[in-house]
Amino acid sequence: GIQVEQSPPDLILQEGANSTLRCNFSDSVNNLQWFHQNPWGQLINLFYIPSGTKQNGRLSATTVATERYSLLYISSSQTTDSGVYFCAVSGNTPLVFGKGTRLSVIA
Amino acid sequence: NAGVTQTPKFQVLKTGQSMTLQCAQDMNHEYMSWYRQDPGMGLRLIHYSVGAGITDQGEVPNGYNVSRSTTEDFPLRLLSAAPSQTSVYFCASSYSFLSTGGEKLFFGSGTQLSVL
Repeated sequence: GIQVEQSPPDLILQEGANSTLRCNFSDSVNNLQWFHQNPWGQLINLFYIPSGTKQNGRLSATTVATERYSLLYISSSQTTDSGVYFCAVSGNTPLVFGKGTRLSVIA
Repeated sequence: NAGVTQTPKFQVLKTGQSMTLQCAQDMNHEYMSWYRQDPGMGLRLIHYSVGAGITDQGEVPNGYNVSRSTTEDFPLRLLSAAPSQTSVYFCASSYSFLSTGGEKLFFGSGTQLSVL
């Protein structure tokens, strides 16, 4: 099956800093989504982005499907951005999740 | 809309007990799934359903049963609980299994299960 690797596993930022989270996948996909799990455990869907670029406020994502990676950009980070960010991908199967990047934003 | 509703939020079981985790969605989603989350393991798929009456196994199905008698409900049954099933369980749903139209996956709030 498809393998998903996320990097870095852990990231600590000062409030106001920018960051880039990476998701590599092992096969072609037609579905790629980014999720944020907040410190209370709630999973929120950030982007559906199997290819191209999308932006939502301070967050943006880019997927280069031909090179099998996706990037999540967080600009001007805030303490509320803390949590775990998951990338999930699929071809014609249910979504497979990476192990996540744990982000801690310090005031 | 309530979205995806999971009950209970917390549960403690003894080894060998059985129980059912409930999941309901009010978005008329065809696709529903169960994941478990363990520290450092991400989310792993247990079972999924692409519509009423249709279920299939995911990555870690052993020890769990599911059924899908209605579009709205997708309960997960633990037949004989084991300590290895201590985990956080998430139910999720989407309009379409393949998401070819850009349909996002929505999660419930999770059930924290401890098996002693």
